[in-house]
Amino acid sequence: DGGITQSPKYLFRKEGQNVTLSCEQNLNHDAMYWYRQDPGQGLRLIYYSQIVNDFQKGDIAEGYSVSREKKESFPLTVTSAQKNPTAFYLCASANGFPADEKLFFGSGTQLSVL
Amino acid sequence: EDKVVQSPLSLVVHEGDTVTLNCSYEVTNFRSLLWYKQEKKAPTFLFMLTSSGIEKKSGRLSSILDKKELFSILNITATQTGDSAVYLCAVEPYNQGGKLIFGQGTELSVKP
Repeated sequence: DGGITQSPKYLFRKEGQNVTLSCEQNLNHDAMYWYRQDPGQGLRLIYYSQIVNDFQKGDIAEGYSVSREKKESFPLTVTSAQKNPTAFYLCASANGFPADEKLFFGSGTQLSVL
Repeated sequence: EDKVVQSPLSLVVHEGDTVTLNCSYEVTNFRSLLWYKQEKKAPTFLFMLTSSGIEKKSGRLSSILDKKELFSILNITATQTGDSAVYLCAVEPYNQGGKLIFGQGTELSVKP
């Protein structure tokens, strides 16, 4: 079955630690996105990538980093510079840009700080 | 600054009621408006609207866009408990790589 897989579902971060959230898609989509969801604030764009080996900052990129070495993979690293990382992280992909087709979302990763 | 505002933020109704969710936007170079349903984790696509006045319909759900007044509504008739979810509205501007600007969401709770 085609889809987007995010892992882990739950992740805990200690102070000063970097953690990496995985996002893999087998939909052969070119574009991939990372959104952060906080209660009462909707989804906010962290980073996006339109093609392999290229990515752009979204609205809240500070404290995060990404890579796009393979078409199917777009991992997100939450660095120690992100002072308020507790949130629900959603990865999404689309077949093109602009998104003529709907975005497909993964099931998310809940990140909490110990 | 581009923004999307949804109202109400939360809503409690009983089965069989009809609800209307609102989404207003101020976005430069508007291309499309999208509605998603988020039941637990992954948002699922409902509608994409690009033209004013043309209603999109899927079963008991329908949506319409007004590009002059910069808003959209999502209607759900004969609500069921399975309609309980967060409904997200998002706007896609032109020439921003498919980026979506999301509203805060409306949390709908349908009681039996």
